[in-house]
Amino acid sequence: GEDVEQSLFLSVREGDSSVINCTYTDSSSTYLYWYKQEPGAGLQLLTYIFSNMDMKQDQRLTVLLNKKDKHLSLRIADTQTGDSAIYFCAESPLGARQLTFGSGTQLTVLP
Amino acid sequence: SQTIHQWPATLVQPVGSPLSLECTVEGTSNPNLYWYRQAAGRGLQLLFYSVGIGQISSEVPQNLSASRPQDRQFILSSKKLLLSDSGFYLCAWSAGRPSNQPQHFGDGTRLSIL
Repeated sequence: GEDVEQSLFLSVREGDSSVINCTYTDSSSTYLYWYKQEPGAGLQLLTYIFSNMDMKQDQRLTVLLNKKDKHLSLRIADTQTGDSAIYFCAESPLGARQLTFGSGTQLTVLP
Repeated sequence: SQTIHQWPATLVQPVGSPLSLECTVEGTSNPNLYWYRQAAGRGLQLLFYSVGIGQISSEVPQNLSASRPQDRQFILSSKKLLLSDSGFYLCAWSAGRPSNQPQHFGDGTRLSIL
């Protein structure tokens, strides 16, 4: 079955770039998603990528995919205090209805 | 545009009492619907998903049940709550077709069992 792993914590200084990493195990074509969760709230979809893509950029967010290593990263440029949240990586094999989530990375932005 | 509503936002219930959490989606038809539980602010556990009215798939054996009486309504229930049912419950929807559409989440219900 699918497995998604993330480091639990990341701290960065305001204005620096943040890079949140994720690894997955599914071997077939797959979709990969990034979600953001602020305290006490639901999950907000940030972006997603199909495994035939290497990169996707959306304003301050850049997603990089290394298919060979099954490694996904989310880069946040010019990190702000409002970016402090838990970031979840999730995977869904092609044709599947369900997502498999990682355990989330708590991003703390320091002034 | 599509919206998803969950209520109540918070709920405090005694052990052994019943439960009913409701989720509705607007602005779309034939969505896939999901119930998740999130413990300790971290990992999400998929409890149930539904691809249509009356069609419910259960992912884990538990004290809870789900129903989908209407196309855009998803209800999570229990006849007798346990202490272990405490947690943050999230409803989500995705477009039914094509496959692999991203899931969109409601604001969640914080359930505390006393």
